[in-house]
Order: sequence, then C-alpha cells, then structure tokens
Amino acid sequence: EAGVTQFPSHSVIEKGQTVTLRCDPISGHDNLYWYRRVMGKEIKFLLHFVKESKQDESGMPNNRFLAERTGGTYSTLKVQPAELEDSGVYFCASSQAPLGRRYTFGSGTRLTVV
Amino acid sequence: DAKTTQPNSMESNEEEPVHLPCNHSTISGTDYIHWYRQLPSQGPEYVIHGLTSNVNNRMASLAIAEDRKSSTLILHRATLRDAAVYYCILRQHRGSTLGRLYFGRGTQLTVWP
Repeated sequence: EAGVTQFPSHSVIEKGQTVTLRCDPISGHDNLYWYRRVMGKEIKFLLHFVKESKQDESGMPNNRFLAERTGGTYSTLKVQPAELEDSGVYFCASSQAPLGRRYTFGSGTRLTVV
Repeated sequence: DAKTTQPNSMESNEEEPVHLPCNHSTISGTDYIHWYRQLPSQGPEYVIHGLTSNVNNRMASLAIAEDRKSSTLILHRATLRDAAVYYCILRQHRGSTLGRLYFGRGTQLTVWP
C-alpha cells in the first residue's frame, strides 16, 4: 500500500507570506494527525482529525494556523501569515483507529521562513 | 517539557546488542509506551510498543520496568541500517487527547562497522 505522502518536501518563504502544506494519508485511515518539530525542540502534536472532523486541535500554536480535511481524505495545513518561529519540519501521520498499534508518518515538509 | 527523557546519543558496534534507555516518571496508568525511529530525510517509523509486559517483535524487544517509570529498547544485533534517531513516546489512552503521541527528544544511535 502507498504510504503517507506529504508535499512539498521543502518550502522556503518570506515572513508574512502564506504557505499551504498537504498530506495524503493511507487510504482508509480515518485518523490523521499533524505534528511539527521546531529547531532544538521535540516533535509536538498539532491536531487530530477523525475523517473530516477535528477531534483535537489543542496543539495548534495560534490562529495563524488553519487545518482542513475536506471529504475526509487529504488534509491541508495553511500558515498565514508565516512568522520566523514557524520554521521547522511538519509531519503528518495516519492510523486506522486512534488507538491503532502504529501510526504511519510521512517524510515531512521542511518549512523555512526567512 | 517532554514527558520522556533519553540520552542524546549512543554508540554501538555492528552485531552487538544495544540497550536504549528511557525515563518516563510521570507516566499515567493508561499511557502506552511507544518507540519509533527516524532515518535521515524520513518520518518516524514504528518500532514497538507496550503497556506493562515486556514485548518482542522482529525488530526489537521492549523491557518495561515494574513501576513503568522507565523502559529500555533492545536491539539484539545492531546493523548499520539501525543507525537512526530513536524516540521514546507516550501515547495517551483516554480523554480528549486520545491517541496523541508525546515524543521525547530522541537518542541518536551511531553504529560502527
């Protein structure tokens, strides 16, 4: 089966611009998660979708971040306007169930805000 | 702050066993212990998980302390392909944060030929 796909793999934008990250989960996985690692920190949870609904978005840092999952398939994470501290690697993961044995992660999107 | 603490780095020789420690002193009774590893330019990859009992699979073994405040990931015979960052993670099993993974900062494992 195809894995979790994220694109772009890299993005360099200027402060104040908008960037949209996309995640295509494994087909049939209802649960989709976004995580990110900023420089020098551990990987941290951002939000969790069950199908098209936001189950838990308590990890979103502020209202400049907007995540959507229309139709319960792929998801987008938009940052508008981007700030320097948003630089980092954004990972998407999916699982069949929230308590699945394993979560499959994408390779991540490295975002650099200059 | 991370809920798990791990050494920043460890080294091993090829074909020797590796014991990667993790402390999680604030673990709750329903948290699962997961281990993932990350190779360069890839996302984290599942290795093993457990709750209370020791676990074995084809990749590794997981030894969990009786009080569950620490665990050890055991690679029985390290290979060069095992060189990666290994993350010790707690997964919540109940409540509004069901299924959320709490990552540690990871241990960079270097394997020497």
